[in-house]
Amino acid sequence: EIVMTQSPATLSVSPGERATLSCRASQSVSSNLAWYQQKPGQAPRLLIYGASTRATGIPARFSGSGSGTEFTLTISSLQSEDFAVYYCQQYNNWPSLTFGGGTKVEIK
Amino acid sequence: EVQLVQSGAEVKKPGESLKISCKGSGYSFTSYWIGWVRQMPGKGLEWMGIIYPGDSDTRYSPSFQGQVTISADKSISTAYLQWSSLKASDTAMYYCARHSLDSSGPQYYFDYWGQGTLVTVSS
Repeated sequence: EIVMTQSPATLSVSPGERATLSCRASQSVSSNLAWYQQKPGQAPRLLIYGASTRATGIPARFSGSGSGTEFTLTISSLQSEDFAVYYCQQYNNWPSLTFGGGTKVEIK
Repeated sequence: EVQLVQSGAEVKKPGESLKISCKGSGYSFTSYWIGWVRQMPGKGLEWMGIIYPGDSDTRYSPSFQGQVTISADKSISTAYLQWSSLKASDTAMYYCARHSLDSSGPQYYFDYWGQGTLVTVSS
């Protein structure tokens, strides 16, 4: 099983600042990496797939990068609605899919 | 509009059986894999398994193989997750979610999610 490790577990950021979230895979997943946002009491929402392609309707302040084992989600200027938990998910090793443990982005 | 609508919250006792549902609409239900994801209280997301409603091809995470059964009834565009004997440790939110699909075939990230079904198992 491919293990996905996200860091940091919690990120404290002020509104308007940049947030950088990391996701590391225990072995290469190529670019088969997705990012999701989950707000309290809500289902996850797809943000990024293919490591860097924004899903439909996702604002341009969200960007993804990386390939192989190292990936980054960047939120260029945090808005109030962006404070949430973010998960990465690899889908290179289908049907064995795995999620990272999540990064909580909180208000500083 | 693509929608996945899940059945309502359940409160059960240990040892009881349960089947929860996920009804798809707004797309060709038989053409997209549907997965189930567990989220225990205050924890992260865990992939449980997936089904292709077109032919009921089903795959399970090793962690959930033998613990749950995933099925689908394509005549009513509904996928199911069931337990034969619940445990307290099955208490969690359960989400169904659809895999994407493009011109090159299935893409195994989840593009649409249900609203979740909260299952509480307590004596």
